Parts: sequence; structure tokens; C-alpha cells
Amino acid sequence: GQQVMQIPQYQHVQEGEDFTTYCNSSTTLSNIQWYKQRPGGHPVFLIQLVKSGEVKKQKRLTFQFGEAKKNSSLHITATQTTDVGTYFCAGLRGGSNYKLTFGKGTLLTVNP
Amino acid sequence: DAGITQSPRHKVTETGTPVTLRCHQTENHRYMYWYRQDPGHGLRLIHYSYGVKDTDKGEVSDGYSVSRSKTEDFLLTLESATSSQTSVYFCAISEPRLVREQFFGPGTRLTVL
Repeated sequence: GQQVMQIPQYQHVQEGEDFTTYCNSSTTLSNIQWYKQRPGGHPVFLIQLVKSGEVKKQKRLTFQFGEAKKNSSLHITATQTTDVGTYFCAGLRGGSNYKLTFGKGTLLTVNP
Repeated sequence: DAGITQSPRHKVTETGTPVTLRCHQTENHRYMYWYRQDPGHGLRLIHYSYGVKDTDKGEVSDGYSVSRSKTEDFLLTLESATSSQTSVYFCAISEPRLVREQFFGPGTRLTVL
């Protein structure tokens, strides 16, 4: 079955440092989505990438979708304590009946 | 936040007992999903529904059944709970005709002793 690998599993940074999490799928994706889950909370949708090579920005967050539509990354510039949480990528295959396959997530902690 | 509620929010039960978790939505979204979340495993799909009485298995469906008799309700049943089913269970909804993002409920923390 489809697998979505996400690294690193954990990342601890000092406030102001940058952070990147990487996602890699075993199969070509129709689109990829990113979610954030705060400690004790539920996953919340951040963004969806659909096109090959697509890059989208949300303030300090930059999302990329690879040319082959099999990998993606999320980069946070100058982390803040409000960025703490687990970031998940989730891949959607074409014709998948809208089932997402989630990566295991990257837990980001930020030292103030 | 989307109108999704889960009940109960917390439950402690014993091995071998039946357990039913409820997900209720007020968004009229066609798709509903049940996930479990465990440390080191991320979110894993248990079952999902693409309409009333239309359901299908996810990647970890063994030991679970679901039912959807109304658009707004999606029930997850553990016929005979085991300690390996101790987890946090999330319900999610989506409406692909609009957007493909999934909206998650607040979660149910289930402990099986």
C-alpha cells in the first residue's frame, strides 16, 4: 500500500532558528496536504499543494511540492513559541476515494 | 472550527467490553472518517464513509466496525475492546465537491484496561 515517510520525527530549536520537515511518498500523489496539531489538540489543515513544483507561502511558512509529485517540504523561518506542535503531511492519490495517507509527523519544540 | 463533536471525550473500559464512539457533524459533509492516533504511528485510518450506509475499510480496520444511518452521524464500534485499542480516536469530515481538506473533531481518549 501507499506509504508516506516523514522526517525528522522530532526537532528541537531555539526561538528564531529555522525549521524544516520533509515528506516522501512511495507513489505519485494527486495532491499533498499539511496539517498542524498543537499539544492536546486536533489536526488543523494548513495548506494543499496540487501542481508539480508548486511553492506556497503563508507568512513565515513555505511549502513545496516536488517536481515528481512524490515529495514535499515545510520550512518555517525564524521559529516562534507559537509554532510548537506536530506537523503532518498527508498524501492523496488519484482515484483514492479521498483517503489521505498521513506521515507520522514531526514534533517541533521551541526553546524561548 | 467546523461543527464536529465527538462523544464521549474520555472513556475507560475493561478488556472484552463493547464500546461505541459517536461522531456528529452539522456541516452536511458527505465524507466521514475515523482515525486512531498513537505515539510513533501518526494518524491511521480505521474506516471511512462516503455516504449514508456507504462505508469502507482503512488500513487498521481489524476489530472495528462502523455504521452511518444518517448524514450527520458516524459510529465506531469496538465489539470486544482489547488493550491494543487504547488510543486517541479522531473523527474527520470532508466535502470533496468544495475542498479536499479534512476537518477534525476534538478526539476521544479511550483507555482499555
